[in-house]
Amino acid sequence: DQQVKQNSPSLSVQEGRISILNCDYTNSMFDYFLWYKKYPAEGPTFLISISSIKDKNEDGRFTVFLNKSAKHLSLHIVPSQPGDSAVYFCAAIGETSGSRLTFGEGTQLTVNP
Amino acid sequence: GAGVSQSPSNKVTEKGKDVELRCDPISGHTALYWYRQSLGQGLEFLIYFQGNSAPDKSGLPSDRFSAERTGGSVSTLTIQRTQQEDSAVYLCASSLQGAFGQPQHFGDGTRLSIL
Repeated sequence: DQQVKQNSPSLSVQEGRISILNCDYTNSMFDYFLWYKKYPAEGPTFLISISSIKDKNEDGRFTVFLNKSAKHLSLHIVPSQPGDSAVYFCAAIGETSGSRLTFGEGTQLTVNP
Repeated sequence: GAGVSQSPSNKVTEKGKDVELRCDPISGHTALYWYRQSLGQGLEFLIYFQGNSAPDKSGLPSDRFSAERTGGSVSTLTIQRTQQEDSAVYLCASSLQGAFGQPQHFGDGTRLSIL
């Protein structure tokens, strides 16, 4: 039962353009969502998060949008840079999951110079 | 360093052997988590320690897997009688108190290969 899904295994964008990474979830008890970035041979690095009481959170070039009714969130990166090339994981946490994170499968973002 | 430290970074062993993986969390973090990432998959929760509370072991895939956390700091994940399907990257994370709103910080993982 995949409760957090990232349906796009890969995404390729041009430097300077917007990258949009999508994530869907099925568990309505999730109330906090996080995005992690992972480079090869390194652990995931926390990027940005959003509480379910908000619909947008912005941090520099990174913005996360949450649509609770659609159980959908997205990460926008503007402008995209070659150094953003990595695997991006969406994760969720909620009352029923305790403190564990439930991760999506990840999306490989490639930003071309 | 100030981050989560895991050792070894790579481990190759024969099927049937036991392995121990170590995690040293960020100083002061009371919550510690183990996850694993199999090839092409997302991260899968294994076990969670919070302070002196009983650990949440609900993610351990079989009784061959166990973990302990001594003195509220270093944790060891043990896999007995390893099988080929145990091959994965095992990731440890820690957070301050394990409460909502506090992101988990990950180590670089141990890449385990079972021959």
